[in-house]
Amino acid sequence: KQEVTQIPAALSVPEGENLVLNCSFTDSAIYNLQWFRQDPGKGLTSLLLIQSSQREQTSGRLNASLDKSSGRSTLYIAASQPGDSATYLCAAPGSSNTGKLIFGQGTTLQVKP
Amino acid sequence: EAGVAQSPRYKIIEKRQSVAFWCNPISGHATLYWYQQILGQGPKLLIQFQNNGVVDDSQLPKDRFSAERLKGVDSTLKIQPAKLEDSAVYLCASSFQRAGSLDTQYFGPGTRLTVL
Repeated sequence: KQEVTQIPAALSVPEGENLVLNCSFTDSAIYNLQWFRQDPGKGLTSLLLIQSSQREQTSGRLNASLDKSSGRSTLYIAASQPGDSATYLCAAPGSSNTGKLIFGQGTTLQVKP
Repeated sequence: EAGVAQSPRYKIIEKRQSVAFWCNPISGHATLYWYQQILGQGPKLLIQFQNNGVVDDSQLPKDRFSAERLKGVDSTLKIQPAKLEDSAVYLCASSFQRAGSLDTQYFGPGTRLTVL
């Protein structure tokens, strides 16, 4: 059964700092892993989807890596900005690979000006 | 391209009352998901539809929750009767994928339910 854990639960950094969010999963037989962003009172926005054949995926200041053997993924945010303040969720497919996503509990990021 | 639409955005009810949520997925998306997100937690899948058939409802509390997707487009999720622990955000998502493939899921804004 797939389980996803995110550490830390909350993070506060000054503007301009580079930071790393961590995600671990128990079932390494995954097709892909996704990172989402959630703003208060809003739905989820997909940031990056890493296929199992890829080691990393980049979009602007965001870089996500995937290491299936260790059951870990990281989301790297370069030169953080106050607008990056949000909750970041990682999600892995459920073990049945029907499309069901298993989410971590999220990391709430605050970037201070 | 229009996104996933949900209504209402907010709902406050008393325990033991009934409530229904509506979702309209992105046009052409075969798969529709309902997730429950309790404050401070990640979303948890309640039910997954492929067209108008159920793929996974293993975590749906069937004694009080029901969902349908008539005609394979819009979907409704109902709670009857509601309990205090049902207070959460109910998220609807859709994807183009056929069962067994894994495409990006697009999420609606959610319905925030408060049960008093």
